[in-house]
Amino acid sequence: KQEVTQIPAALSVPEGENLVLNCSFTDSAIYNLQWFRQDPGKGLTSLLLIQSSQREQTSGRLNASLDKSSGRSTLYIAASQPGDSATYLCAVRPNRSNDYKLSFGAGTTVTVRA
Amino acid sequence: NAGVTQTPKFRILKIGQSMTLQCTQDMNHNYMYWYRQDPGMGLKLIYYSVGAGITDKGEVPNGYNVSRSTTEDFPLRLELAAPSQTSVYFCASSPPTGRNEPQHFGDGTRLSIL
Repeated sequence: KQEVTQIPAALSVPEGENLVLNCSFTDSAIYNLQWFRQDPGKGLTSLLLIQSSQREQTSGRLNASLDKSSGRSTLYIAASQPGDSATYLCAVRPNRSNDYKLSFGAGTTVTVRA
Repeated sequence: NAGVTQTPKFRILKIGQSMTLQCTQDMNHNYMYWYRQDPGMGLKLIYYSVGAGITDKGEVPNGYNVSRSTTEDFPLRLELAAPSQTSVYFCASSPPTGRNEPQHFGDGTRLSIL
């Protein structure tokens, strides 16, 4: 069974500092890995999706890396802003045909202090 | 484009009552999912559907039922509410065009069983 872990559970940084969020998974047979953002009282918004054949994916200030063999992904957020305060979740999709189910980590709650 | 819409947003139930959580999407997605999110935990899949008339169990299906009579709607039913079902419920959908499509989430239904 796939287990997804995110450490730390919470993180507080001053504005302008770079954020590094970690995600690890136990089964390296994944099809892709996704990073989501969740604001309080809201649903999840997809930030980045990395295919298993990719090493990284970038969108603006966000960069996500994937090391499938070691079961790790890292989300980097450059020059953090108070608006980046949210919970960030990672999720992996198994590398099985017709299996669209995601396994989620518990998330890292980020607070960016002005 | 409304995306994924969930109703109600909040609900309090008494033990033993029943209710249906509604989910509808207007993106013509074939795949739909129901998750629950407990405090400090990742999302867990309850049920999913790959198209109208087809449903299957996820990781935590006990105490729930679903139906999928149309592409747009995927209601989740609780027959005999129990305190363990207090949670935030999320509905999501994704297109069948490829497994590298991210899932789209609703804003959730916050359910308390007292």
